[in-house]
Amino acid sequence: QVQLQESGPGLVKPSGTLSLTCVVSGGSMSISKWWGWVRQSPGKGLEWIGEISHDGITNYNPSFKSRVTMSLDKSNNQFSLRLTSVTAADTALYYCAKESHSSVDYWGQGTLVTVSS
Amino acid sequence: QSALTQPASMSGSPGQSITISCTGTSSDVGSNNLVSWYQQYPGKAPKLMIYDLSERPSGVSNRFSGSKSGNTASLTISGLQAEDEADYYCCSCAGSPPSYVFGTGTKVTVL
Repeated sequence: QVQLQESGPGLVKPSGTLSLTCVVSGGSMSISKWWGWVRQSPGKGLEWIGEISHDGITNYNPSFKSRVTMSLDKSNNQFSLRLTSVTAADTALYYCAKESHSSVDYWGQGTLVTVSS
Repeated sequence: QSALTQPASMSGSPGQSITISCTGTSSDVGSNNLVSWYQQYPGKAPKLMIYDLSERPSGVSNRFSGSKSGNTASLTISGLQAEDEADYYCCSCAGSPPSYVFGTGTKVTVL
């Protein structure tokens, strides 16, 4: 059973950089071609941020394209999200995800990131 | 990239069927069958209920089914049960390189 666990600072200052890591357990990252990030603002809906393939190809939501970078570290079974120039609008619960058949079949529990000074 | 449109809320009595719509455009829902549906309870991560428009993951009840007509996808819940009370989100692949867009979400209440 694949499990995903997000980690990273829960508080980021405005104009700063949000950095999160997702550790994959219960299987190698090679079990899936794509790994992604989805966020959910408080009381709001889901928003796809982007995805990274097991060989490092990335696809990003055009809404984030200039601010987002994803990377992976297969040797440590983890992948990461970096979002620059954050504002209060980036305050959200961030989920890491395993993708399959163009959908998310496994989700992390989510980590709340608040953007505030 | 605009969110797909879903009704904000729907309700039904136990045993009834409800159908949640998810309206997009010819660039997303209307362009492929890469539509998925998720169920989310308060404070929990979403759960995949339908992928590839109408396929159910192992363990998901066959009371859940998906379909599409034109630019609108639908999730039907048959034989509504109390445990079906949750938020539901659709999602569609859009464009190339692929990007994904979620729906606005529908809160389902079992009366």
